[in-house]
Amino acid sequence: AQKITQTQPGMFVQEKEAVTLDCTYDTSDQSYGLFWYKQPSSGEMIFLIYQGSYDEQNATEGRYSLNFQKARKSANLVISASQLGDSAMYFCAMRGSDYKLSFGAGTTVTVRA
Amino acid sequence: DGGITQSPKYLFRKEGQNVTLSCEQNLNHDAMYWYRQDPGQGLRLIYYSQIVNDFQKGDIAEGYSVSREKKESFPLTVTSAQKNPTAFYLCASSPPGRVTEAFFGQGTRLTVV
Repeated sequence: AQKITQTQPGMFVQEKEAVTLDCTYDTSDQSYGLFWYKQPSSGEMIFLIYQGSYDEQNATEGRYSLNFQKARKSANLVISASQLGDSAMYFCAMRGSDYKLSFGAGTTVTVRA
Repeated sequence: DGGITQSPKYLFRKEGQNVTLSCEQNLNHDAMYWYRQDPGQGLRLIYYSQIVNDFQKGDIAEGYSVSREKKESFPLTVTSAQKNPTAFYLCASSPPGRVTEAFFGQGTRLTVV
């Protein structure tokens, strides 16, 4: 069984500042993938970043970086230089060996001008 | 253009009626997924399929059924046994492998009255 936990229901961040979104996971698989998605109010799901369980370096994609701590089973997302357009809901997800793709409950980010 | 198409965008049904949500992809992806999202909540996995003619229950399969007769199509039927079917439904697909992200459709908002 796999489980994704996001403990921050909502966060406020000032424009141009960085914000860290927490994600912990539980799995017995040795090989798995971790993903972060953004969902604006329109409802579409936008893929942001991926981290493989065997990747030694933390993933980065533009202003997004993933702080992967395998021993702690955490995969936190860092958004640097926040913009007003970053206001959305953010989901952490994991795919395990059975191809099941599970999501956390999400964190709502509100960027203040 | 390649992508995932969910239709219709909005769907209204009377209580007690079965309803089928369409999901079609022309990305040649093997895996397909159905999720339910309630307002302000995360994505909960209903069913997923790794390959044609095979599918597995997700975390909230009760009251739902699926079929996977073609690679391109993964329709979801919301049956009258689903006690609270009003929700936003998202379909996704992904290529083989744990390292690949899932691509999402635009979603169907189902309202049962």
